[in-house]
Amino acid sequence: ETGVTQSPTHLIKTRGQQVTLRCSSQSGHNTVSWYQQALGQGPQFIFQYYREEENGRGNFPPRFSGLQFPNYSSELNVNALELDDSALYLCASSSEATLNTEAFFGQGTRLTVV
Amino acid sequence: SQELEQSPQSLIVQEGKNLTINCTSSKTLYGLYWYKQKYGEGLIFLMMLQKGGEEKSHEKITAKLDEKKQQSSLHITASQPSHAGIYLCGADQPGNQFYFGTGTSLTVIP
Repeated sequence: ETGVTQSPTHLIKTRGQQVTLRCSSQSGHNTVSWYQQALGQGPQFIFQYYREEENGRGNFPPRFSGLQFPNYSSELNVNALELDDSALYLCASSSEATLNTEAFFGQGTRLTVV
Repeated sequence: SQELEQSPQSLIVQEGKNLTINCTSSKTLYGLYWYKQKYGEGLIFLMMLQKGGEEKSHEKITAKLDEKKQQSSLHITASQPSHAGIYLCGADQPGNQFYFGTGTSLTVIP
């Protein structure tokens, strides 16, 4: 067990709706990264938060946004959901912003958009 | 953006056999990571390589980094059913971005 908890584990939403996914980081970690993993593909980097600031972003549209809280837990928000947003969303926590040194991953949230 | 190509895409081996998975980068590697994923679950960190020529081992898994070739290999000795899963390489890129490889699905037949 990594100590990184994601909620909910599964979620079904309708196209056009908004969704919030949550991630609690491992104790002592100040960096959280979010990834989208479509079925049969490798994870795609969405963005990273370091000490409550967005610290890096992948090729995702602005309707993907996030927050990091003072306790370093994080949220991923997706607006105007599209069918292609259906995927496993993974968060990872680590202790440094510049490296994914021993990043620990949560079990993921499986989002289905219908 | 960086591309990490893994080969083979999938692998089926008999228990006890050795195997190698390769990860080739289209850009300079600043750090190369190997992860294992069981279907639909989170990723488990295996090891990280930072310097050319670096080699690390954990139990029966050994990873090497060839910086000049922009390539890393993951070698499993005497495979076991517990080694089954999807192996992903990942790499840091400037701008605090991180890219994963295309993945290699490993099946170990008892």
